[in-house]
Amino acid sequence: GDSVTQMEGPVTLSEEACLTINCTYTATGYPSLFWYVQYPGEGLQLLLKATKADDKGSNKGFEATYRKETTSFHLEKGSVQVSDSAVYFCALTSGSARQLTFGSGTQLTVLP
Amino acid sequence: DADVTQTPRNRITKTGKRIMLECSQTKGHDRMYWYRQDPGLGLRLIYYSFDVKDINKGEISDGYSVSRQAQAKFSLSLESAIPNQTALYFCATSPTGGTDTQYFGPGTRLTVL
Repeated sequence: GDSVTQMEGPVTLSEEACLTINCTYTATGYPSLFWYVQYPGEGLQLLLKATKADDKGSNKGFEATYRKETTSFHLEKGSVQVSDSAVYFCALTSGSARQLTFGSGTQLTVLP
Repeated sequence: DADVTQTPRNRITKTGKRIMLECSQTKGHDRMYWYRQDPGLGLRLIYYSFDVKDINKGEISDGYSVSRQAQAKFSLSLESAIPNQTALYFCATSPTGGTDTQYFGPGTRLTVL
């Protein structure tokens, strides 16, 4: 079945540091790929997405590129802020049900 | 107002009790989903519904049931709660024929003692 493997946390960075959270996937067909973010005490929010190979999703300074050859969708940001502290989930949809399959999440803490 | 709402936000119950979690949406989406979140496991799909007459089991449906009362309402029931159902439960919606983006409610934290 489909699966998503993402970098285990927690990750702690200083403000303005560079961020990379690795995500790889296994899926049949042509999945859409997503990064969701969960701020403390809140539900999940879509951060960015890509629907086909070589697409780049971007939002709020975060970027991720859909790499079919390496089955990866790594999340990057050049300069993190304290407000970026949250749990980040990589996910995909595929098949007729179009359900989301999630990775286990990566806790990011950014220190001032 | 929030587009996807869940009630209650927090619930503590005892083993063997029946409990219902409710989800309502004003987004006009046909598709609705129930997930549970456990630490270190991400979110796992319990049930999903593509319209009022369509209900499907997800990855972990045992011990749960659902009801789609209307396009806007999708309820999750635990007929006889057990402690390993203690988790954070999320409802989500998505439009038919869209780009698969799902929109999540704020979650219900359920504790079964």
